[in-house]
Amino acid sequence: DTAVSQTPKYLVTQMGNDKSIKCEQNLGHDTMYWYKQDSKKFLKIMFSYNNKELIINETVPNRFSPKSPDKAHLNLHINSLELGDSAVYFCASSQDRTGGQNTEAFFGQGTRLTVV
Amino acid sequence: RKEVEQDPGPFNVPEGATVAFNCTYSNSASQSFFWYRQDCRKEPKLLMSVYSSGNEDGRFTAQLNRASQYISLLIRDSKLSDSATYLCVVLTTDSWGKFQFGAGTQVVVTP
Repeated sequence: DTAVSQTPKYLVTQMGNDKSIKCEQNLGHDTMYWYKQDSKKFLKIMFSYNNKELIINETVPNRFSPKSPDKAHLNLHINSLELGDSAVYFCASSQDRTGGQNTEAFFGQGTRLTVV
Repeated sequence: RKEVEQDPGPFNVPEGATVAFNCTYSNSASQSFFWYRQDCRKEPKLLMSVYSSGNEDGRFTAQLNRASQYISLLIRDSKLSDSATYLCVVLTTDSWGKFQFGAGTQVVVTP
């Protein structure tokens, strides 16, 4: 039933490890996003994909690599994790990204990443 | 300067009272506007879209002022369950559909 689902919900890992977060949406949307919410609660876009193609890459370190096998999935792989990567990562999707009627974004429940 | 700015609050509101707060945006190419609500340790959820003429959804009223580049949210007859952080979100069409979030306004409704 869940519209945008991401796993895992919690991730605790050591510095230097590589980890992945998965996201799937069953809304039939064309566009998917990854957002990062830091300790100050500010939500910042990282990546946007439209129909499996990368549209936005917001100066994210190249340790972060998104992958979209199809338009319903957008995964995030992080190499060589650092302490500063600790945050909540939200996946989202929207039907229309150009300001039309169905533009609103729907969010997954978030993945709370803690790097120790 | 941040693209979307909000008063972080907190706005402490007695139950039943009215509270209103604004959000300013800097990019005149901004096309669509939204208010999202985020509860502690939860994902943002759409509260309402904001239309040019202003719109109302129950106890919530949103207004858009393009000339001064701000949107507002008014909550009437506040309920305890309205306690949350309200996020102003702006979509700019010159950025291929990038949703820009404000840092949020915290509202605390007290009995």
